[in-house]
Amino acid sequence: EAAVTQSPRSKVAVTGGKVTLSCHQTNNHDYMYWYRQDTGHGLRLIHYSYVADSTEKGDIPDGYKASRPSQENFSLILELASLSQTAVYFCASSDAYSNERLFFGHGTKLSVL
Amino acid sequence: QQKVQQSPESLSVPEGGMASLNCTSSDRNFQYFWWYRQHSGEGPKALMSIFSDGDKKEGRFTAHLNKASLHVSLHIRDSQPSDSALYFCAASEQGMGYKLTFGTGTSLLVDP
Repeated sequence: EAAVTQSPRSKVAVTGGKVTLSCHQTNNHDYMYWYRQDTGHGLRLIHYSYVADSTEKGDIPDGYKASRPSQENFSLILELASLSQTAVYFCASSDAYSNERLFFGHGTKLSVL
Repeated sequence: QQKVQQSPESLSVPEGGMASLNCTSSDRNFQYFWWYRQHSGEGPKALMSIFSDGDKKEGRFTAHLNKASLHVSLHIRDSQPSDSALYFCAASEQGMGYKLTFGTGTSLLVDP
């Protein structure tokens, strides 16, 4: 089974602080994604990447940056964390072919106080 | 407006019963659909995909797609307590499977 590992599993941050969420995959997948999950909104795509050193904006990129330093690693960066960014964040990966299934990590629960 | 809408929000069925979940898209460009399942405290896991009109069966799970009405359903027969989870419908445009749009989910509870 494909493996996607997120760290940390949970984090408490202060408003205005910087937060970095990390993701590592061992699937040899080209695509990696960051989603956030909120009650009533399902999963929403923040950023994605299809190759190292390149990232693309998803549906809700405002307030977030992403970094893909290698095929295996993908980070989500909140430069100035805000209360509204309290959510559960999921990283996922998928193969290069269109319409392939996504493999998700266990998620990071972020609380911004 | 949510482009992928799911109903009901929550559903309770007895063990051994049939669970039926619905999903409708408001975007006619969406042609490819997935069902994902998320157990509490875990990440979503893909159950099955459906891209063609009609039924697709995988074990106890059957998905049905009607492209004309942009309606897709998931039927779980012989429901088990382990099927209790949050179920998401997700859709994408042709050739853009990397940009899935998820619905808000249906919470299924199977009573033992």
